[in-house]
Order: sequence, then structure tokens, then C-alpha cells
Amino acid sequence: NAGVTQTPKFQVLKTGQSMTLQCAQDMNHNSMYWYRQDPGMGLRLIYYSASEGTTDKGEVPNGYNVSRLNKREFSLRLESAAPSQTSVYFCASSDWENGYTFGSGTRLTVV
Amino acid sequence: QKEVEQDPGPLSVPEGAIVSLNCTYSNSAFQYFMWYRQYSRKGPELLMYTYSSGNKEDGRFTAQVDKSSKYISLFIRDSQPSDSATYLCAMKDTGGFKTIFGAGTRLFVKA
Repeated sequence: NAGVTQTPKFQVLKTGQSMTLQCAQDMNHNSMYWYRQDPGMGLRLIYYSASEGTTDKGEVPNGYNVSRLNKREFSLRLESAAPSQTSVYFCASSDWENGYTFGSGTRLTVV
Repeated sequence: QKEVEQDPGPLSVPEGAIVSLNCTYSNSAFQYFMWYRQYSRKGPELLMYTYSSGNKEDGRFTAQVDKSSKYISLFIRDSQPSDSATYLCAMKDTGGFKTIFGAGTRLFVKA
């Protein structure tokens, strides 16, 4: 099925560890996004990529880095995980004329 | 003040009821308005997408936008237990790539 695929689905990290969240879309969308979702806070934009080769900061970029590897793939890296980064992370893609297509999310716990 | 305000609920209604979900916003530049539905432990999925003011109907769902009041609504007719989910409003301006989300309203439809 066409859509957005995120890996892993679950992850537990110790404070200070690093990890990369992977995202791939097969909808031929130009734009891709990383959001985090926390109770009572809604979805907050971490980074986005308007097109292949470009990335920009969103509302909460501190502690994260991203790579737009090609048109299909957009990864999110935590260099030194902190408990405040415990959250559910969603990747999304869009073709601008329509809304977002979201992945199923990664549940990250930092202990 | 948040750019988008949405009552978190929860909202509990009996099966068959008409449900009204609402959001207010402060940025008059918003032109595109969306509603997403999110089931527990899933990614959000696009439900309705409208441009500027007016109404849009799709089956049991009607989206309304009142730009003069900076107020948007989603109505669900003949609500079903399968409508039980969190509903997020979202909006963006014409020139931007970033969509701003409300915190979401949890809806429970009782059989």
C-alpha cells in the first residue's frame, strides 16, 4: 500500500545515547516533515524539507538533526537523547495541494 | 496565546447524536483548513480539507470555516462508535510549508 513508513515503531534509549528514526514515502511527494506529539501539546513541527536537498527548522528543533537522503527518505537523528525527548514522533509527506499523509509513528522513551 | 486553540475534551455522546467540534485561531493569514482524525496509537489521517471560507460536505461530515470570526467547525451527523477518536484541526497560510495543528479533541461515541 502506498504511504509513509516509519521505523522503528518503539524504542527505549538511555540518556545520552543516539539514534536515527527512519522515514520513507512512496507517494512521490516533494515535502516531508517530522513532528512530535505530546499530551496536551498537539503536534509540534521539529524539521521539514520542502523539497529534495533542502531542510528547515520548525518550532522545536533543538536536540535534533535531519537528513533528506533523496526524494523518498527523510531521517531524524537524536545525537544525545534526553528525557524531555520522550514522545511519539510522526513523519509526514505532502504534495502541497492536499493535506499530509502521516506514518504510524515511533514511540520513543528516554530513561 | 497559541495560534490555534482547540478544546481537548473529552466529549462523550450517544450513538446517533450530532457532534460539533471547533477551533479558533489568531493568524488571519491562514487560508487552508483541515481536519484530521487520529485513532489510538495510529497516525492522523486527513478527513476534510477546505480553502478559505464556506462549507464542505463529505458524507456524514461537514466542515465550516468562518474567517471573519477566525472559527472553524466540524460536524458529524449520525455519529457511530467507530467515530470515537481524537480530532485535530489544522491550518496553514498560502505561502508557507508549515501546518499548525490544534491539540485535538477526544471524542467518545457510546453505543
